[in-house]
Amino acid sequence: QKEVEQDPGPLSVPEGAIVSLNCTYSNSAFQYFMWYRQYSRKGPELLMYTYSSGNKEDGRFTAQVDKSSKYISLFIRDSQPSDSATYLCAMSGNSGGSNYKLTFGKGTLLTVNP
Amino acid sequence: GAGVSQSPSNKVTEKGKDVELRCDPISGHTALYWYRQSLGQGLEFLIYFQGNSAPDKSGLPSDRFSAERTGGSVSTLTIQRTQQEDSAVYLCASSPDRGNTIYFGEGSWLTVV
Repeated sequence: QKEVEQDPGPLSVPEGAIVSLNCTYSNSAFQYFMWYRQYSRKGPELLMYTYSSGNKEDGRFTAQVDKSSKYISLFIRDSQPSDSATYLCAMSGNSGGSNYKLTFGKGTLLTVNP
Repeated sequence: GAGVSQSPSNKVTEKGKDVELRCDPISGHTALYWYRQSLGQGLEFLIYFQGNSAPDKSGLPSDRFSAERTGGSVSTLTIQRTQQEDSAVYLCASSPDRGNTIYFGEGSWLTVV
């Protein structure tokens, strides 16, 4: 079993739709959870950063972490064509001071159609 | 610039040649990281620098890979005797300190032919 599982998609939605992206993980030491957006042939761009369980909202984006279920989500409201990209979940833990080492999902390719 | 800068952005090299990839982190960031992104493999951690020291090199795939950082700033990732399986995007990232939010550069796209 991979440490982080993410459905690769592709996911295609109409403009204005609510998008739900998810990752599951197996390592209970993970405490820091991130979502990155990566446009084609560009580097990953940090969207959301969450510590431990709970919700975090930033504009049209909401990140949720459920550590009891080892499940994280990113919701995008009122999706726009400019949101079309690959979304990567990433996480790290404090075990042995390794909170710097990110473990990534493989990414979900999202297309928002005008 | 304000972000992590990497060069070259694209590199095509012949199998067996050595390549050097350069990273200029965000000014003031003490932590620097190299990751590799291969088709179908996702992003894989290669090495972490704190200042000029590399306390974690556990992700380097073989002894053909090495990296250094000088002046607590610029880092170079060197791949010796390149193989076709080395073809990937090599991403550099930096953060203000270990464990803080990590910012990536645009990557160096390496193709070994």
